[in-house]
Amino acid sequence: DTGVSQDPRHKITKRGQNVTFRCDPISEHNRLYWYRQTLGQGPEFLTYFQNEAQLEKSRLLSDRFSAERPKGSFSTLEIQRTEQGDSAMYLCASSFPRATGGGVETQYFGPGTRLLVL
Amino acid sequence: GENVEQHPSTLSVQEGDSAVIKCTYSDSASNYFPWYKQELGKRPQLIIDIRSNVGEKKDQRIAVTLNKTAKHFSLHITETQPEDSAVYFCAATGGTALIFGKGTTLSVSS
Repeated sequence: DTGVSQDPRHKITKRGQNVTFRCDPISEHNRLYWYRQTLGQGPEFLTYFQNEAQLEKSRLLSDRFSAERPKGSFSTLEIQRTEQGDSAMYLCASSFPRATGGGVETQYFGPGTRLLVL
Repeated sequence: GENVEQHPSTLSVQEGDSAVIKCTYSDSASNYFPWYKQELGKRPQLIIDIRSNVGEKKDQRIAVTLNKTAKHFSLHITETQPEDSAVYFCAATGGTALIFGKGTTLSVSS
């Protein structure tokens, strides 16, 4: 499968524990995005990387959340001191500059990591 | 910031009927409008998108229309099939972050 991959697919943790998720984008995609999706809602933007640089962060990304993309390839999203309200699906997406015309790039999503905080 | 409203939240049709889902957006700077289909437990998959320099785009049974003046765009599915049953999300952006609607659960009964 050459699409976006995420690991783990499911994570159950106790409140107060730290968790880390990994995202591997489509090869050659230089932009990578993290979103959070709760039940019955659309995905909500968290943060975005162009290569290794984190260029945009949402207000949803509290100081307990940190994301990295150290070599411009895979990315990790860490949540410290998890709370029950962090329970959600964490989606990663990647994109590549359009060949012609520039403009907004199409984002391709991974399968997500479903987090349950007890 | 951008806000996207999506209607209806649920839609039930008979196989072979057409289905229409509508979205409105608030930010006139938005210029890219994708539609994603998400089946239960699976990733959102892009099914069609439209950019603000185009008023309509079609791909087989799926079409999207965009009215920039009224700030709304719609997804049209013709000849629906049971495998079209899923949650459909519209989104809008003028930059990087996609702003999604709350989704429409489409059920196609045979």
